[in-house]
Amino acid sequence: GEDVEQSLFLSVREGDSSVINCTYTDSSSTYLYWYKQEPGAGLQLLTYIFSNMDMKQDQRLTVLLNKKDKHLSLRIADTQTGDSAIYFCAPSSASKIIFGSGTRLSIRP
Amino acid sequence: DAGVIQSPRHEVTEMGQEVTLRCKPISGHDYLFWYRQTMMRGLELLIYFNNNVPIDDSGMPEDRFSAKMPNASFSTLKIQPSEPRDSAVYFCASSLGTNTEAFFGQGTRLTVV
Repeated sequence: GEDVEQSLFLSVREGDSSVINCTYTDSSSTYLYWYKQEPGAGLQLLTYIFSNMDMKQDQRLTVLLNKKDKHLSLRIADTQTGDSAIYFCAPSSASKIIFGSGTRLSIRP
Repeated sequence: DAGVIQSPRHEVTEMGQEVTLRCKPISGHDYLFWYRQTMMRGLELLIYFNNNVPIDDSGMPEDRFSAKMPNASFSTLKIQPSEPRDSAVYFCASSLGTNTEAFFGQGTRLTVV
């Protein structure tokens, strides 16, 4: 079945860039999402990219897609304390969305 | 719309008891998903419905778990009998259609003692 892999933890200094990586197995994914989960809350859509794109920029967020290697990354520029959360990579295949384990981003002062 | 509404927010029950989790999707959304989140296994898709019909229940862990969607505005996930290893946060999500954003509820934190 489909598989999505992410590192479990990432720690960055406030003001630095954060890069969260994800690999997936389903090559038929047409939309690839990034969701953010704050403590005690559900997931919220952060950004997404179509499978026919290789880059998408949205303010401080940059999504890179290497479809050949099935690798997706999320870069957060100028990381702030409010960015502390769990970030989920979620390729969409047919009707369902499969989530990775999530990467817990923590910010050091 | 108030978003996806789940109840209860928290549930503590004894092993062997029946547990029923409830979800009201966003009005007009054709898809409804049930996910389970644990530290060990992350976010797992249990089952999803399209127009109230179960499409894929391959993620349901075992026969103790069942889900229903009697109408477009209500779904339940039932565990009978419950076991301590079922302790997790259960999320319901809904979406308009294929390859569209899924909107999540706040989740139900289930603790089975």
